Amino acid sequence: DTGVSQDPRHKITKRGQNVTFRCDPISEHNRLYWYRQTLGQGPEFLTYFQNEAQLEKSRLLSDRFSAERPKGSFSTLEIQRTEQGDSAMYLCASRRGENTEAFFGQGTRLTVV
Amino acid sequence: AQSVTQLGSHVSVSEGALVLLRCNYSSSVPPYLFWYVQYPNQGLQLLLKYTTGATLVKGINGFEAEFKKSETSFHLTKPSAHMSDAAEYFCAVSVNSGGSNYKLTFGKGTLLTVNP
Repeated sequence: DTGVSQDPRHKITKRGQNVTFRCDPISEHNRLYWYRQTLGQGPEFLTYFQNEAQLEKSRLLSDRFSAERPKGSFSTLEIQRTEQGDSAMYLCASRRGENTEAFFGQGTRLTVV
Repeated sequence: AQSVTQLGSHVSVSEGALVLLRCNYSSSVPPYLFWYVQYPNQGLQLLLKYTTGATLVKGINGFEAEFKKSETSFHLTKPSAHMSDAAEYFCAVSVNSGGSNYKLTFGKGTLLTVNP
């Protein structure tokens, strides 16, 4: 159990550029979540995968955001045409089953300048 | 839809004093309740959780919380604060909103400061 891994830890990008983040969940965790945390706020749910299927997307996930989990293992979150309002910490979490603890990665901090 | 309210965005205590962080929730179905701790520029670490059964839940680092259904509360306590407890604490609720997703809904957090 090596924990949930996120890459990169920090990303600075210019407004209008595309960015992609990666999350490697704990092996054998079939449930994967993405959250966004802005300064002074709690994390907010973005999207949920069970295996490779994306089963729920928040209204926060605009058309510029897309998430994938191609083989039910790692996941990517892409933001197209970044805006300053996208600046936040993006957190990934995974869990094995319904009544189990969700383990969080250390997050990717995105700064859009 | 479920929601969480954390009373007090900032709590300051002296080392050795009682820690009390307040959390109230709203849910139309029986909830699962959690407390997470976050250190600067880090992810979230689970302190404790309530799912079913005993309403007094003990967690790591000497923390505990009591689920009170009548008050819709899940306050976090620790008898004696340590300097290393200084961090941000988040209360969260989880329900099955369809597709067995059990996504977490978080409060806005409480920053705990511990004074020497």
